[in-house]
Amino acid sequence: AQSVTQLGSHVSVSEGALVLLRCNYSSSVPPYLFWYVQYPNQGLQLLLKYTSAATLVKGINGFEAEFKKSETSFHLTKPSAHMSDAAEYFCAVSTSGNTPLVFGKGTRLSVIA
Amino acid sequence: GAGVSQSPRYKVAKRGQDVALRCDPISGHVSLFWYQQALGQGPEFLTYFQNEAQLDKSGLPSDRFFAERPEGSVSTLKIQRTQQEDSAVYLCASSRGYGTGELFFGEGSRLTVL
Repeated sequence: AQSVTQLGSHVSVSEGALVLLRCNYSSSVPPYLFWYVQYPNQGLQLLLKYTSAATLVKGINGFEAEFKKSETSFHLTKPSAHMSDAAEYFCAVSTSGNTPLVFGKGTRLSVIA
Repeated sequence: GAGVSQSPRYKVAKRGQDVALRCDPISGHVSLFWYQQALGQGPEFLTYFQNEAQLDKSGLPSDRFFAERPEGSVSTLKIQRTQQEDSAVYLCASSRGYGTGELFFGEGSRLTVL
């Protein structure tokens, strides 16, 4: 069975600083990996996904993530944080075909002016 | 509609009451998922439909939980004899197919059981 571990339930960065949100996965087969973002009182929105093409995946709003098989990681980064990036971020994993998405517990990102 | 619509957005129920939560997915989306999100946690899978067929209900926590999608569009999640531990946000998501992972989520229905 697949699982996801997000290190750090809360991350705080200064505006303009690097954002790094960590995600490690466990899967017995090559995984599909995703990052979703949830703004207050809104539904989850897909940021980016890895589906075995390029290991560096670019998403919306300047975010990107790199799939590292040797480290079983899929960390999310953004070079320069903006106040509007403050939200809850969820990493998720699935295997192709017939398993539902399994989500991590989430990381709340705060951006300080 | 333009997005996934859920109703009610907020529901307060007394312990023992039955509740019904509705999900209206994006038009034409074949797959529909229900997730439960407890406070401070990530979404937990409950059940999955492909059109009107419920293909996976392994995440339903007890036989008090029941979901249907009779015409392959709107879905209802019903919780009978609600308990305090059922308090959570119930998320509905739809997608064009299965296995793509590109789920489109509604804003959720927040259930509070007193």
